[in-house]
Amino acid sequence: KAGVTQTPRYLIKTRGQQVTLSCSPISGHRSVSWYQQTPGQGLQFLFEYFSETQRNKGNFPGRFSGRQFSNSRSEMNVSTLELGDSALYLCASSFRQTQETQYFGPGTRLLVL
Amino acid sequence: AQSVTQLGSHVSVSEGALVLLRCNYSSSVPPYLFWYVQYPNQGLQLLLKYTSAATLVKGINGFEAEFKKSETSFHLTKPSAHMSDAAEYFCAVSGTGGSYIPTFGRGTSLIVHP
Repeated sequence: KAGVTQTPRYLIKTRGQQVTLSCSPISGHRSVSWYQQTPGQGLQFLFEYFSETQRNKGNFPGRFSGRQFSNSRSEMNVSTLELGDSALYLCASSFRQTQETQYFGPGTRLLVL
Repeated sequence: AQSVTQLGSHVSVSEGALVLLRCNYSSSVPPYLFWYVQYPNQGLQLLLKYTSAATLVKGINGFEAEFKKSETSFHLTKPSAHMSDAAEYFCAVSGTGGSYIPTFGRGTSLIVHP
């Protein structure tokens, strides 16, 4: 089976812009979670989608949003980018629920200038 | 809220030496516990997972971890380090307080000297 794929792998944006990141889960997986990884804060949970519905949400401002499509692919969007949004954004998929084994993608590295 | 503490942001060992990475969690009930490894410019890969079936959990690449409820610990070990083990290691916990969203530790960077 193909693993979790994320596109693009690298992005450079300027403050105030918006960005959309994409994640394709492992075939058959219906749960997709997003994480932000920074040297200062470590790995932080953003949100989880299951069957096109947001099931859980972390403690991030409303500028961070996401969605899931009927084929389980997911996108996350960050509007009005700030310098502090520079991070590695990781997507993880699991069959049904987050307590099951999560399989991570390689991440999208976002640099905000 | 659940929390995970990984003692030591960096651990340095010689090739062939024992690897011990420490993880303590805050929970009064046995949760789900995980160890992940992250190589540079890659995502996280699951090493092993504790789900209360056995206290000693064997994972990939020769790693294992022992769940000790009395010490609320889940330390990761490997008898003999290899150069290819150099990476960032994360401990995570989920399933406490009704939440299955994993909480990750801050990570431990394993350095292996020849």
